[in-house]
Amino acid sequence: GAGVSQSPSNKVTEKGKDVELRCDPISGHTALYWYRQSLGQGLEFLIYFQGNSAPDKSGLPSDRFSAERTGGSVSTLTIQRTQQEDSAVYLCASSSGDLDAEKQYFGPGTRLTVT
Amino acid sequence: DQQVKQNSPSLSVQEGRISILNCDYTNSMFDYFLWYKKYPAEGPTFLISISSIKDKNEDGRFTVFLNKSAKHLSLHIVPSQPGDSAVYFCAASAYDSWGKLQFGAGTQVVVTP
Repeated sequence: GAGVSQSPSNKVTEKGKDVELRCDPISGHTALYWYRQSLGQGLEFLIYFQGNSAPDKSGLPSDRFSAERTGGSVSTLTIQRTQQEDSAVYLCASSSGDLDAEKQYFGPGTRLTVT
Repeated sequence: DQQVKQNSPSLSVQEGRISILNCDYTNSMFDYFLWYKKYPAEGPTFLISISSIKDKNEDGRFTVFLNKSAKHLSLHIVPSQPGDSAVYFCAASAYDSWGKLQFGAGTQVVVTP
C-alpha cells in the first residue's frame, strides 16, 4: 500500500512566479489536508478537504493561495505571485474519514524556496 | 496565537533512560491529542494519541499522559533507543473543528549511546 506522495520534492522559484504543488493521498482516504512548516516552526494548517463537502480554507494565509481536489483524490496547492515568506516545507496529509479520522498520514513534503 | 506549545526545543537522553516530552495547550475545546515523530526529509508519522476522556494511553515503549486541569500532556519513551532520535510534535484538535490539527513547534530528541 502506497503512502501519501508529493511532487516535486524540491522547488526553487523566483519571487513573483506561480507554483503548483501536487499531493496524491492514500487510496480510499476521503480527507486531505495541507500544512506548511516554516523554519523552526510547527506545522501550520492551510486547508482541508472532506469528501464532497466544501473545503475548509480558514488556514490559507492570503488570497494568493488556493487548492483544489479533483475527483476526490489528487490535490494541487497553487501559490500565485510567490513571496520570500512563502518559503517553507509544504506537507500534505490524508485520513480515512472514519473513527480514526484524526490520525493523519503525511507525505514527505515539498520544500519551496522563493529567491 | 500559539494554542499548542512545546517549550523545550531539544532534549538529550542516554540510551536506555526515559525521555519525557512536554506539551501545554490553551484551548479548552481541545478533546483529542496526538504525538507525531519526524525524521529529516520525511513527513511526520503518527505515534500515539489520547482522547480527553482518558488520562493515560500506552503503546509499547510509548505512554502519553493527559492532565486536563493543567492543560498539559506528556510523552514518555522508555527505554529510549538511538532510533528514537527525531523531532516530536504534539498536536491537538477540537470537537468543533474536526480535522484541523494544531501543532506545537516540536522537540528535537537526541538519544546518545
